[in-house]
Amino acid sequence: QVQLVQSGAEVKKPGASVEVSCKASGYTFTKHTIHWVRQAPGQRLEWMGWIKSDTGDPQYSQRFRGRVTLTRDTSADTSYMGLSRLTSEDTAVYYCARENTGGGGVFEIWGQGTMVTVSS
Amino acid sequence: QSALTQPASVSGSPGQSITISCTGTSSDVGTYNYVSWYQQHPGKAPKLMIFDVSNRPSGVSNRFSGSKSGNTASLTISGLQAEDEADYYCNSYTTRYTYVFGSGTTVTVL
Repeated sequence: QVQLVQSGAEVKKPGASVEVSCKASGYTFTKHTIHWVRQAPGQRLEWMGWIKSDTGDPQYSQRFRGRVTLTRDTSADTSYMGLSRLTSEDTAVYYCARENTGGGGVFEIWGQGTMVTVSS
Repeated sequence: QSALTQPASVSGSPGQSITISCTGTSSDVGTYNYVSWYQQHPGKAPKLMIFDVSNRPSGVSNRFSGSKSGNTASLTISGLQAEDEADYYCNSYTTRYTYVFGSGTTVTVL
């Protein structure tokens, strides 16, 4: 079945970097753009950016530009979200989501989420 | 990009109808018909309920419907059921190939 499986929980110190992976299965990886969304504890969903799985072209939210890097490995059907210069405000669950082929921010398939905790 | 504005909470009795609003600007909701709605239960990933303003994915109950007028999109849940109690988020495409979520609405079934 179509699914996205994310890497496990991370604990990082302030100032460090983190990378979360998102492995796709059950569909042709290069046909769908992957988006990244985060949710701090008790807070709203926050869109971070997307990466086209065929070309690798990324687009980032202005809020995270300069700190976030989205990449993908087509040989492994896996997308990655890297976030640098972490602070306690980056403590959140990070989700990857597959956009439908029609685009338009239609996210029918989501990963299970990865908890990233930033603490000294 | 500021979050789209949603009411913090909406409540209703079983069987009633409720409507959640999502107000943006002419740079997002007002210009593009790429508005979607997501339901999120505690500790779970979001679930797509409505896309392209008013379309329902396969498997989503027809009790859920969407619409848009000007800079405001709306999600209506009719025949409210206990299982509808959750957080709801709107999402819109914006200029410069980006997206923005709403502030979120907690639906309580009384």
